[in-house]
Amino acid sequence: KAGVTQTPRYLIKTRGQQVTLSCSPISGHRSVSWYQQTPGQGLQFLFEYFSETQRNKGNFPGRFSGRQFSNSRSEMNVSTLELGDSALYLCASRIGTDNQPQHFGDGTRLSIL
Amino acid sequence: QKEVEQNSGPLSVPEGAIASLNCTYSDRGSQSFFWYRQYSGKSPELIMSIYSNGDKEDGRFTAQLNKASQYVSLLIRDSQPSDSATYLCAGQSGGNNRLAFGKGNQVVVIP
Repeated sequence: KAGVTQTPRYLIKTRGQQVTLSCSPISGHRSVSWYQQTPGQGLQFLFEYFSETQRNKGNFPGRFSGRQFSNSRSEMNVSTLELGDSALYLCASRIGTDNQPQHFGDGTRLSIL
Repeated sequence: QKEVEQNSGPLSVPEGAIASLNCTYSDRGSQSFFWYRQYSGKSPELIMSIYSNGDKEDGRFTAQLNKASQYVSLLIRDSQPSDSATYLCAGQSGGNNRLAFGKGNQVVVIP
C-alpha cells in the first residue's frame, strides 16, 4: 500500500512569492492534516480536512490556506512568503477523525531566500 | 497549559539499557494516544498506539497509559543505537478530535 506522497520534496522561493504544496493521502484515508516543523518549535498544526471540509485550524495567519479535493488529495498554499516560513511542511493522513493515528509523508522542505 | 507536554531534556542511555519517556496531557476527554519516532531529517513514523489504561507491548516497545493521572509513557527495552531519534507523544483531543503533539524527547543510545 502506497504511503502519503508529498510534492515537491524541496522548494526554494524568495520573499513575497507564493507557493502551493501537494499531498496525496494513503488510499482510503479521508482526513488530511498539515503541520509546520521548525527547529525548536516542534510540530505546529496548520489545519485538518475531512471530506473536502476544513475540520480544524491552527493559529497561523490567513496567508496559510488549504483545500481538499473529492479524491482526498490536498493542497496547501502560502502567499506573500516571509523568511520565517522556511520550514519542513508535513502532511499526514488518517482513515477518519475518530481515534485514528496519522501517517506522515516525507514532507516538503521550503527555503525562503 | 499545553495540551500534550514532554518536559524531559535529551536522554542518553547505554546500549542494552531501558529508555523511559513520559508525556502528560491536559484534556481529560482524550481517548487515544500515539508515539512517533522521528529520525533527524526524516518525517515522524508511528510506532505505538494505546487506547485503554494499562500496558501495551510491541516488540521492544511498551506503552503505558494512566488516564486517572493523565500520563502516557514509552519504554524502550534493550536500547539499540538505531533507536537514537526524537520521540513524539500525541493525544487526540476529546473536543475537536484534533491530534495534539508534544515537542518531543531526543534519545541518544551510546554504544
